[in-house]
Amino acid sequence: AQTVTQSQPEMSVQEAETVTLSCTYDTSESDYYLFWYKQPPSRQMILVIRQEAYKQQNATENRFSVNFQKAAKSFSLKISDSQLGDAAMYFCAYRSGGGSNYKLTFGKGTLLTVNP
Amino acid sequence: GAGVSQSPSNKVTEKGKDVELRCDPISGHTALYWYRQRLGQGLEFLIYFQGNSAPDKSGLPSDRFSAERTGESVSTLTIQRTQQEDSAVYLCASSLGGAANYGYTFGSGTRLTVV
Repeated sequence: AQTVTQSQPEMSVQEAETVTLSCTYDTSESDYYLFWYKQPPSRQMILVIRQEAYKQQNATENRFSVNFQKAAKSFSLKISDSQLGDAAMYFCAYRSGGGSNYKLTFGKGTLLTVNP
Repeated sequence: GAGVSQSPSNKVTEKGKDVELRCDPISGHTALYWYRQRLGQGLEFLIYFQGNSAPDKSGLPSDRFSAERTGESVSTLTIQRTQQEDSAVYLCASSLGGAANYGYTFGSGTRLTVV
């Protein structure tokens, strides 16, 4: 079974600075997808960024980018120019590319605080 | 609808009572998922519905939990004889299909508190 580990329960960053959230995963599969979700106090999980394992290029969405190291099974999220609205819980998630590929496996999350 | 709608938003119930949680997916989304989020934890898969296929109930933690979905419409998650360990946020999501290239859209969840 796949596992996802987020080793940082809490992180803080100053507004306008850059922060990196860590995520490692364990899998024997070669085809899979990785995600970062943001969960604000409204509780709705919002997709931040997605990476297909077969793609070597790191995904980027505006101020959000990932560092995907497939051999090391590492998938970190970098938030540049942090804004107050970025404060939330961030979850890393894994989804298989084949078989029962509809399930998401989540890490326990990292609570990000943005200081003005 | 424009998004995934869940009701109630919050529910407080006494231990031993039954509760029913509702999820209204995005119109046209054939796949529907239920996840549970305990305090300080990530989301745990509960159940998956895809069209008229048999649901994947492998994540349901006990026989006190059940879920129904008629076709591609509303789903209800029922917890019988609630226990304090059932206290959690229950999140529903839907997607166009079950394949990995279809992204999930989540609702805002139901926070269940069992006292």
